[in-house]
Amino acid sequence: DAKTTQPTSMDCAEGRAANLPCNHSTISGNEYVYWYRQIHSQGPQYIIHGLKNNETNEMASLIITEDRKSSTLILPHATLRDTAVYYCIVVFSGGYQKVTFGTGTKLQVIP
Amino acid sequence: DTGVSQDPRHKITKRGQNVTFRCDPISEHNRLYWYRQTLGQGPEFLTYFQNEAQLEKSRLLSDRFSAERPKGSFSTLEIQRTEQGDSAMYLCASSPQGHYEQYFGPGTRLTVT
Repeated sequence: DAKTTQPTSMDCAEGRAANLPCNHSTISGNEYVYWYRQIHSQGPQYIIHGLKNNETNEMASLIITEDRKSSTLILPHATLRDTAVYYCIVVFSGGYQKVTFGTGTKLQVIP
Repeated sequence: DTGVSQDPRHKITKRGQNVTFRCDPISEHNRLYWYRQTLGQGPEFLTYFQNEAQLEKSRLLSDRFSAERPKGSFSTLEIQRTEQGDSAMYLCASSPQGHYEQYFGPGTRLTVT
């Protein structure tokens, strides 16, 4: 079973920041938070990951709460091309462990 | 482009036929994964290779499914005696040693009629 909970869908106005929440209240100390997105009919695309510190790359920012029980993916200036399903997953860092994708959040960017 | 490639992109087959899909991971990625995805669902894990060793298989991978990764490079996923319930997108991903982010291919969409 998925270890994360995400809203089923969200809308965001083009040009505004998209804030996608994820709950992972049972995360353990050696599990990372990873985000992927899947644009219609394509394979998922890795976005960003983090352990406990906030992270930023060219695609997005990841804010993890101090207790690590939830996180938010931020797309600072959403474009129509950001319309996709966004998956938040937890990944064990101590060696391979299969990952479980839930159903994700369908983000619709509106012109 | 040196991303993950999958072949074919689309496959239509009749029930009962065998099909084989190929995945070419990113060069020097030692980890390779197969997933299955049906409409409206996230990818479901099928199996995982580290180099040529198949280290984990999902219970979803029935005895009609087999995967190989000879020489630790490309991988094949074969489905024997296909059933309509096998219709799905089959995704392959790879990741490098010491990293856990997975890079996905475009998928092979299988339709069983």
